[in-house]
Amino acid sequence: SQTIHQWPATLVQPVGSPLSLECTVEGTSNPNLYWYRQAAGRGLQLLFYSVGIGQISSEVPQNLSASRPQDRQFILSSKKLLLSDSGFYLCAWSAQGSNSGANVLTFGAGSRLTVL
Amino acid sequence: GQNIDQPTEMTATEGAIVQINCTYQTSGFNGLFWYQQHAGEAPTFLSYNVLDGLEEKGRFSSFLSRSKGYGYLLLKELQMKDSASYLCAVRDSNYQLIWGAGTKLIIKP
Repeated sequence: SQTIHQWPATLVQPVGSPLSLECTVEGTSNPNLYWYRQAAGRGLQLLFYSVGIGQISSEVPQNLSASRPQDRQFILSSKKLLLSDSGFYLCAWSAQGSNSGANVLTFGAGSRLTVL
Repeated sequence: GQNIDQPTEMTATEGAIVQINCTYQTSGFNGLFWYQQHAGEAPTFLSYNVLDGLEEKGRFSSFLSRSKGYGYLLLKELQMKDSASYLCAVRDSNYQLIWGAGTKLIIKP
């Protein structure tokens, strides 16, 4: 069966420090991978998605970046965090090549980032 | 712009029935999704509607009317563990998911 791992679960970082959140998927090949941010009272905001190694689409311009160095690994990074980067970050995967039908998103457990 | 509207919060009694509505204005339509999210946890998939009508899945049912841009999630025989946020999402013509802000459901004994 497929599983998705995301870490760290929580972190507190000072403004201006770097960030690295990691996500890995097991039990499937060539998944679509996503990074979302969830702010209180707002819908999930898609930050990045990837359909393959090295292929990253950015949905929202900001000081975050994403990389996909391996098929089932997705990394969210920042060189210098801002206060506004605080939030709940969720990694997710879906099956490749199936835009029709349910093509359900499966989420990781989330990473709560507090920037002070 | 694209928009998903759902109530911010609802309260219901254990054992009762509750209906959570979702209205949408999107660029095209390729399905309406419901996810459940317990506090501090990840969302988990509940249901998917792409054709008009009611889809029943145990205690949970989901309804869609494409002509009205409207859907709802119906929860029957409410249990305390159903206390969670319920997220409505619509897949648009570009197959991107547009998310509502979620409805926090509070179940009282």
